[in-house]
Amino acid sequence: AQSVAQPEDQVNVAEGNPLTVKCTYSVSGNPYLFWYVQYPNRGLQFLLKYITGDNLVKGSYGFEAEFNKSQTSFHLKKPSALVSDSALYFCAVRDLGGTASKLTFGTGTRLQVTL
Amino acid sequence: DAGVIQSPRHEVTEMGQEVTLRCKPISGHNSLFWYRQTMMRGLELLIYFNNNVPIDDSGMPEDRFSAKMPNASFSTLKIQPSEPRDSAVYFCASSFGGDQLGNTIYFGEGSWLTVV
Repeated sequence: AQSVAQPEDQVNVAEGNPLTVKCTYSVSGNPYLFWYVQYPNRGLQFLLKYITGDNLVKGSYGFEAEFNKSQTSFHLKKPSALVSDSALYFCAVRDLGGTASKLTFGTGTRLQVTL
Repeated sequence: DAGVIQSPRHEVTEMGQEVTLRCKPISGHNSLFWYRQTMMRGLELLIYFNNNVPIDDSGMPEDRFSAKMPNASFSTLKIQPSEPRDSAVYFCASSFGGDQLGNTIYFGEGSWLTVV
């Protein structure tokens, strides 16, 4: 069965500093990996995805993520955090095992960016 | 594009009442998903439709829950009778391409359900 783990419930960063939100995955086939962000009282917004190709994926709002197959990781990064980046971030995976089309989410990481 | 449209955005109902949540997927998308979000269980897939046909309903909690997709532009999730433990945010999402795993799934703003 496919799964993702987000080991940190919360990440605290000062504005202007780089941020990393961690994600590791487990799949039976090739992974299709996604990051979503959820602002308070809002739905999930798509940030970026890895399908194949370059291990560094660039997405919305200056975010990027690095796919590492040997470490089965897909960490979300941003070179310079903004207070407005404070939100809940979800990593998700789809693969060919079982019910192929469902997106399995991690438990989420709350990012808090302070001045 | 208007995105995935859900209604109502907020619903407060009494235990035992029927609740119907509605969803209009993005035009042209042929896959539709209903997810539930709670503090305890996070995001759970309830049911998935492809080309209006339910493909996987293994996440539907019990017989009180039912979902339909009568056409490509409309779906409902019904809870009858509702219970306090059904209080959650219910998200509808859509994508194009069914089992094309790289296609992005887009979410609506959610329906906040409170059962008292």
